[in-house]
Amino acid sequence: GAVVSQHPSWVICKSGTSVKIECRSLDFQATTMFWYRQFPKQSLMLMATSNEGSKATYEQGVEKDKFLINHASLTLSTLTVTSAHPEDSSFYICSARDSSRTLTEAFFGQGTRLTVV
Amino acid sequence: DAKTTQPNSMESNEEEPVHLPCNHSTISGTDYIHWYRQLPSQGPEYVIHGLTSNVNNRMASLAIAEDRKSSTLILHRATLRDAAVYYCILFNNYGQNFVFGPGTRLSVLP
Repeated sequence: GAVVSQHPSWVICKSGTSVKIECRSLDFQATTMFWYRQFPKQSLMLMATSNEGSKATYEQGVEKDKFLINHASLTLSTLTVTSAHPEDSSFYICSARDSSRTLTEAFFGQGTRLTVV
Repeated sequence: DAKTTQPNSMESNEEEPVHLPCNHSTISGTDYIHWYRQLPSQGPEYVIHGLTSNVNNRMASLAIAEDRKSSTLILHRATLRDAAVYYCILFNNYGQNFVFGPGTRLSVLP
């Protein structure tokens, strides 16, 4: 089946540094990818929609200058958490759908656990 | 986005069937009913989806009410590996994103 690969699986960084998370669709093209954040014992919260070749669309309350999204190709989207702080520690998940097929299921990466110390 | 409601938690015994309900009374005619599950510390995994007719695959069955205002995910024989949070989501090709509710936390007892 279709696979979405997310890297790294976990990362620990110092407060004030930036962290980049990659999301790749391995066997399909995705014009749109989605980024979620999940805190312990809570559901996934959509942060932004990543659009290939154009600007990302951010959900209300998500700072676009802090969470930089780049969707440079049909198989790769990146999320950069800039100037990370301990409150940014969370589980980040990306997802994608096959652009060539309509009304299909979404495929999710395995998630990235970010810890800011 | 149309909303869904699910019980917060359910319990099942191993090797017994499990019926996970989902209410979606405001579903529109173009909304597909999707189910995903999330195991601890992993990204969600697709389970099944359907529009009007009941659907079966190797993982589960999806029973959709005639008026489409509710659906039930059926795991025919629960295993310990089925312990997860199950999410029922409505999706159409016009609404681009998947919006997750709280889901149902399924516990499977040996």
